[in-house]
Amino acid sequence: AQSVTQLGSHVSVSEGALVLLRCNYSSSVPPYLFWYVQYPNQGLQLLLKYTSAATLVKGINGFEAEFKKSETSFHLTKPSAHMSDAAEYFCAVSVKGSARQLTFGSGTQLTVLP
Amino acid sequence: EPEVTQTPSHQVTQMGQEVILRCVPISNHLYFYWYRQILGQKVEFLVSFYNNEISEKSEIFDDQFSVERPDGSNFTLKIRSTKLEDSAMYFCASTVGEHPQHFGDGTRLSIL
Repeated sequence: AQSVTQLGSHVSVSEGALVLLRCNYSSSVPPYLFWYVQYPNQGLQLLLKYTSAATLVKGINGFEAEFKKSETSFHLTKPSAHMSDAAEYFCAVSVKGSARQLTFGSGTQLTVLP
Repeated sequence: EPEVTQTPSHQVTQMGQEVILRCVPISNHLYFYWYRQILGQKVEFLVSFYNNEISEKSEIFDDQFSVERPDGSNFTLKIRSTKLEDSAMYFCASTVGEHPQHFGDGTRLSIL
């Protein structure tokens, strides 16, 4: 079985500041890891994915995440926050094979302050 | 870019009534999913569907739930006798296979 823990249900940053959203996972087999973003009244949009290739993964909108097996982490970062980044962010894990079910973390609401 | 389409966006139903949530997955996708998100809680997996049968289901997906792909385009979730605790946002997702799942915008189900 796999699980995901997202530390911090709410994160606030100033516009232009570094964004760091934390995700730790637990999986008995090598995982696939994902970050999704949810804007108000919309569905889940894929930001980036890790599927056992490069450990540093670049996604859309300037986001990236680094897979650290020793720390069982997959933290999401962006060097400079923009107002449009305000949304809820979900980390998710699946076992190998993206066709398998996703297990989501509880989400982090990102607020960007002017 | 192709999208997963869900209808209706909001469904209000009396407790005990049957409800059908509809989804049109991306046309060349082969795997289909339903997830739900109760207000303030995490997104939870309900069921996955491949080759016209259920491939995985969670403990949430009990006998009151069923899924169907009645034609080549639609994928439906039926809740036979709704309960208050079924109130949630229901998301449909699809994928070709070894690729990330694409999600629809969801159906907000409100049980009165």
